[in-house]
Amino acid sequence: DAKTTQPTSMDCAEGRAANLPCNHSTISGNEYVYWYRQIHSQGPQYIIHGLKNNETNEMASLIITEDRKSSTLILPHATLRDTAVYYCIVRAYYTGANSKLTFGKGITLSVRP
Amino acid sequence: DTAVSQTPKYLVTQMGNDKSIKCEQNLGHDTMYWYKQDSKKFLKIMFSYNNKELIINETVPNRFSPKSPDKAHLNLHINSLELGDSAVYFCASSQDSRTQPRDHYEQYFGPGTRLTVT
Repeated sequence: DAKTTQPTSMDCAEGRAANLPCNHSTISGNEYVYWYRQIHSQGPQYIIHGLKNNETNEMASLIITEDRKSSTLILPHATLRDTAVYYCIVRAYYTGANSKLTFGKGITLSVRP
Repeated sequence: DTAVSQTPKYLVTQMGNDKSIKCEQNLGHDTMYWYKQDSKKFLKIMFSYNNKELIINETVPNRFSPKSPDKAHLNLHINSLELGDSAVYFCASSQDSRTQPRDHYEQYFGPGTRLTVT
C-alpha cells in the first residue's frame, strides 16, 4: 500500500471547518483513500473513504485531487468531541481476505473552545 | 449493544506470566483482527482471522497465539510476558472483503485492552 504523509498537528476553533490534508503521491489506480480517527483512550473509528470522486457522509467530506496525489478531510463544523488523531490510509482492494490497515502517525487535531 | 467488546480493559501482570485477552463481535462479521498500539502510539496489525482461519500473521513472536473458537470470537493468548509487551491491544472486525462491494471496507474496533507488564 502507498505511503501517506500528514502534518503532525493542527488546531481549529469550535464551530469552524477543520481541513485535514494528506499527501499520497505514490498512490496507484486500485488504491482507495480511507480516513479513521482515534479519540483519546478509544479504538479507531472509520470516518470516510473514496477512490477519485469527492465523498460526503454524516461525519465529514473527503476531497481528492484530480491527480489523486493528495486529499483533504473536512469536518464542516468542528466540535470539542472531534479532538482526536486522524489517520489517512491508502489501501488497495484485495481479492482475498488480506485486508489489513496500515496506520501512520496521523495528525492530531485539537479543537479549541 | 457493544459491537466489538474486549475483556479485560486493563491488565497488569508480572514478567513471565501467561495471560489472555478476549474479544467478541456481534456484527456477524467474518474477519477479525488484533492490533498493537505501543507507547509511541503506532498502531500495527498483528493477526487476522477469517472464518476461524489465520489469514494475516505479521512478524509477531511465537509467544503470541491467537485463538478463534468461532467467527464471533478471537482471543489473544500471550506466554512468558515481557516488559516490551506493554501496550494497548485492539481487536477489530470487518466483513470478508471477498464478499463485500469492491470499494467498501470498514473495520470496527473494540475499546482496547491496556496491558502493563511489570
